[in-house]
Amino acid sequence: DAKTTQPNSMESNEEEPVHLPCNHSTISGTDYIHWYRQLPSQGPEYVIHGLTSNVNNRMASLAIAEDRKSSTLILHRATLRDAAVYYCILPRYNFNKFYFGSGTKLNVKP
Amino acid sequence: DVKVTQSSRYLVKRTGEKVFLECVQDMDHENMFWYRQDPGLGLRLIYFSYDVKMKEKGDIPEGYSVSREKKERFSLILESASTNQTSMYLCASSLGWERRSNQPQHFGDGTRLSIL
Repeated sequence: DAKTTQPNSMESNEEEPVHLPCNHSTISGTDYIHWYRQLPSQGPEYVIHGLTSNVNNRMASLAIAEDRKSSTLILHRATLRDAAVYYCILPRYNFNKFYFGSGTKLNVKP
Repeated sequence: DVKVTQSSRYLVKRTGEKVFLECVQDMDHENMFWYRQDPGLGLRLIYFSYDVKMKEKGDIPEGYSVSREKKERFSLILESASTNQTSMYLCASSLGWERRSNQPQHFGDGTRLSIL
């Protein structure tokens, strides 16, 4: 299974952009890249996913490297409510079985 | 918005009891999943179901069983609860791969289960 590597923790100031990196050097051609986040005392929440092209939605942007071996989740203006653990995941094809690693804990300072 | 509802946020049971955790989704999703989350171990898949009455073992199925009699409902059963099953249990659902692959999973808020 393709493995992802993320920093354990990052810190950001409120209202500044945040770039959360993820390395996935063993990604296969059919692997989508998914991002989830988990706020304290809640279940994981879907953020965004993509295959090759950069993707945008109301929550975030996903920038995928040309060789697809890394990606970056971009929060354009961090708020205190964005403080969470962010997971980068490559689901296995069959039945969307997800493997959550330890993720990146984002701390947002006022 | 997709809503995945777990029957209890907190549950306390005794060793040896049979425990039922219930999950309901309202988006007609084919796939449903049960995970447990423990500090330092992340989320681990216990069982998943891709259709009514269909189930597949995940990575840690020992000590658990599941039931899916209706499409919207997926139950996790601890046949004889033990203290090492104290954990946060998370249910999720997603569209089936027959319709579209690599669909996002939508999670409930979890049940924090304590076995005494």
